[in-house]
Amino acid sequence: AQSVSQHNHHVILSEAASLELGCNYSYGGTVNLFWYVQYPGQHLQLLLKYFSGDPLVKGIKGFEAEFIKSKFSFNLRKPSVQWSDTAEYFCAVNYEGSYIPTFGRGTSLIVHP
Amino acid sequence: NAGVTQTPKFQVLKTGQSMTLQCAQDMNHNSMYWYRQDPGMGLRLIYYSASEGTTDKGEVPNGYNVSRLNKREFSLRLESAAPSQTSVYFCASRQGGTDTQYFGPGTRLTVL
Repeated sequence: AQSVSQHNHHVILSEAASLELGCNYSYGGTVNLFWYVQYPGQHLQLLLKYFSGDPLVKGIKGFEAEFIKSKFSFNLRKPSVQWSDTAEYFCAVNYEGSYIPTFGRGTSLIVHP
Repeated sequence: NAGVTQTPKFQVLKTGQSMTLQCAQDMNHNSMYWYRQDPGMGLRLIYYSASEGTTDKGEVPNGYNVSRLNKREFSLRLESAAPSQTSVYFCASRQGGTDTQYFGPGTRLTVL
């Protein structure tokens, strides 16, 4: 079965620290890759996505992610986090031809001011 | 352009009661989804509708039914609510060609 692993379940950082959240998926075919963010009490919204082309993708609020096909990974990064980045982050993968995305279990990020 | 809307936002039921969660999207998307979100479990797919007139089971369909009323609306029904169905329910629609999911604001359901 296809699966998405997010290795960090809970991350606690101080403001200005750098962030990297891991995401690996299990299938080696053609995929579309996503990171969604859920701020406290809100719904999920798209942070960034990769379909093709440059494997380094830039999203909103200074986030970026790198697709490494050989490692089946799509890690999320931000050089300097802010208190307002406190949220839950979900990695998701759409395999070619599938209507159904596969979501990771999420990473809870808390940023202390 | 409201995106994806859901009603109600909050609901408390007693065990055995029934209710319907409503979802509508105004983005002309073909595919719509119902998820539940529980702590530590991430998002789990209950049912989805790839296009108007079709519905299919997801990962956790037991205890639920759905209706794709038209292209805009996709409802989720709990026929006999159980405490295990206490959760936050999200409806989403999918933008064809990009696979991007657009989520509604969620319904927080408590079953006593």
